[in-house]
Amino acid sequence: GESVGLHLPTLSVQEGDNSIINCAYSNSASDYFIWYKQESGKGPQFIIDIRSNMDKRQGQRVTVLLNKTVKHLSLQIAATQPGDSAVYFCAENKYSGGGADGLTFGKGTHLIIQP
Amino acid sequence: GAGVSQSPRYKVTKRGQDVALRCDPISGHVSLYWYRQALGQGPEFLTYFNYEAQQDKSGLPNDRFSAERPEGSISTLTIQRTEQRDSAMYRCASSLRGAHNEQFFGPGTRLTVL
Repeated sequence: GESVGLHLPTLSVQEGDNSIINCAYSNSASDYFIWYKQESGKGPQFIIDIRSNMDKRQGQRVTVLLNKTVKHLSLQIAATQPGDSAVYFCAENKYSGGGADGLTFGKGTHLIIQP
Repeated sequence: GAGVSQSPRYKVTKRGQDVALRCDPISGHVSLYWYRQALGQGPEFLTYFNYEAQQDKSGLPNDRFSAERPEGSISTLTIQRTEQRDSAMYRCASSLRGAHNEQFFGPGTRLTVL
């Protein structure tokens, strides 16, 4: 089946720098995308979401960009902190009016913040 | 409670035994989801409920897996005749209601089948 995937398995950045995590999705019908953060030993934690009628959404220190033309999603984290070290997953949710409503996750990018 | 809870947190069983994993969603959340997560991978969708109705079970690997949510709150994922390949982290999530709503994940149950 179609799936969401990530370009880079590991990303190392210096504390204070900005980081960008990328994700490619293959289902052109997807209309909702989410970024999750997962710290070691914990469940995924919601960061930010975006609907397909938007191309950018900002949160606290995070921005998600959606390019539907090339089916690409990115998560930008500004001024990274040690607490940002985690695995980041992009996921898609295609609402099909009673059909599958679960999330399809990519493989994850491990973000490492260097002191 | 404040978040999604799951029990047990760890379960070790012998091959061929049945196991039941419990999920207690956030109070008032209509939708409840089950996922399975292998080490180093993203969660894989198994099934989900709106209230007590199972809406989609297309992600369940085979007929040894079943889930129920009889009163629209607590859910149980049952695996019959466990096999070693069933070993994984089983995660539950809940949301206010289905599509386009944030799913809150529980801490998971680590299942090990010997």
